[in-house]
Amino acid sequence: NAGVTQTPKFQVLKTGQSMTLQCAQDMNHEYMSWYRQDPGMGLRLIHYSVGAGITDQGEVPNGYNVSRSTTEDFPLRLLSAAPSQTSVYFCASSYSTAYEQYFGPGTRLTVT
Amino acid sequence: TQLLEQSPQFLSIQEGENLTVYCNSSSVFSSLQWYRQEPGEGPVLLVTVVTGGEVKKLKRLTFQFGDARKDSSLHITAAQPGDTGLYLCAVLSGGSNYKLTFGKGTLLTVNP
Repeated sequence: NAGVTQTPKFQVLKTGQSMTLQCAQDMNHEYMSWYRQDPGMGLRLIHYSVGAGITDQGEVPNGYNVSRSTTEDFPLRLLSAAPSQTSVYFCASSYSTAYEQYFGPGTRLTVT
Repeated sequence: TQLLEQSPQFLSIQEGENLTVYCNSSSVFSSLQWYRQEPGEGPVLLVTVVTGGEVKKLKRLTFQFGDARKDSSLHITAAQPGDTGLYLCAVLSGGSNYKLTFGKGTLLTVNP
């Protein structure tokens, strides 16, 4: 099993550009989530999904969109990147709830 | 107001020393998790504690859940350089099984 995979590992964007951060898992987990990690702020939940076709907002959803068309994939879209979105982004998955999640290796995003 | 307060924020010790880090809150939780995050990686689940007063051991790591289920501690015996990392506690929040809230973490450095 590859577990949770994220691409790209690093990305630099200019303000106003859009992009999609990819996340995939091969563990047949129903629950998937996206977090951002900033110095001094810890990990904060952006969006989550409890199954294909079902998504909901977390603590800091503004500026991000998600969709879940398959069990395996949960992409995160930045609609118009802003410097405040410079962060490390982690995707995670678990069997059914937010507990005991498996995290991907992260995507380090810089917006200039 | 931060739901979970972790202390200390930073800890630098020599190999072989013992240490304790704390995760405190004014709220009561049904359970609490500890994760460890190594540099450049995603968090990895160490343990889940669910019963007030519960003690769990993972090799040289001892986890305790407070009797009132408001706090938890992690004690490391004879720390090794491989223990270096960010230690995070996390709880389900907002009355939801789908939203995990993390503390800001304790950054531990074990020097050889």
